[in-house]
Amino acid sequence: ILNVEQSPQSLHVQEGDSTNFTCSFPSSNFYALHWYRWETAKSPEALFVMTLNGDEKKKGRISATLNTKEGYSYLYIKGSQPEDSATYLCASDNYGQNFVFGPGTRLSVLP
Amino acid sequence: GAVVSQHPSWVICKSGTSVKIECRSLDFQATTMFWYRQFPKQSLMLMATSNEGSKATYEQGVEKDKFLINHASLTLSTLTVTSAHPEDSSFYICSARVYEDQPQHFGDGTRLSIL
Repeated sequence: ILNVEQSPQSLHVQEGDSTNFTCSFPSSNFYALHWYRWETAKSPEALFVMTLNGDEKKKGRISATLNTKEGYSYLYIKGSQPEDSATYLCASDNYGQNFVFGPGTRLSVLP
Repeated sequence: GAVVSQHPSWVICKSGTSVKIECRSLDFQATTMFWYRQFPKQSLMLMATSNEGSKATYEQGVEKDKFLINHASLTLSTLTVTSAHPEDSSFYICSARVYEDQPQHFGDGTRLSIL
């Protein structure tokens, strides 16, 4: 089974800080990289689906980049707000191995 | 849009009981549905992928006779945990997708406790 890693495991930031975290995934047979946001007591919410090397996507204050050659993606949050507190999951979709999720980064934004 | 309903949210039952969990896409047609399991303090683990009208594809290590998946229509997939035992207690969550390279839309999950 392919390995997807995320770092850091958890993160505490002050409101207004910008932050970023990393997802490492297998670069071989890569098809797509997904980012999800999972708040407690809610269902995971899709943020981005990225397929092209060098791709950069943005949704409000959240953006993500993708490097398929070296197998990593960064998620950035600009000006963090308390409502950004959640677990951020990435999932790698590789040919021959469907959807392997990383362990997640738990973000807490302190007011 | 893209709402997935999963039912029930909680199940507590005795060992040996079979439990059925439903996953419905309410406002879209899902060509593919996924079933995941999450153990405490671990990430989501894909159990199986099901396409409407065909047999589910199970991930390595997942017993297909234990976890029966039916995807009879473009809006409904069911997971039946047969003869459940305490070790089957877990959080099960489904997701649905229209096309490849589009995001999955998740249900709220089902917490299953087998006594």
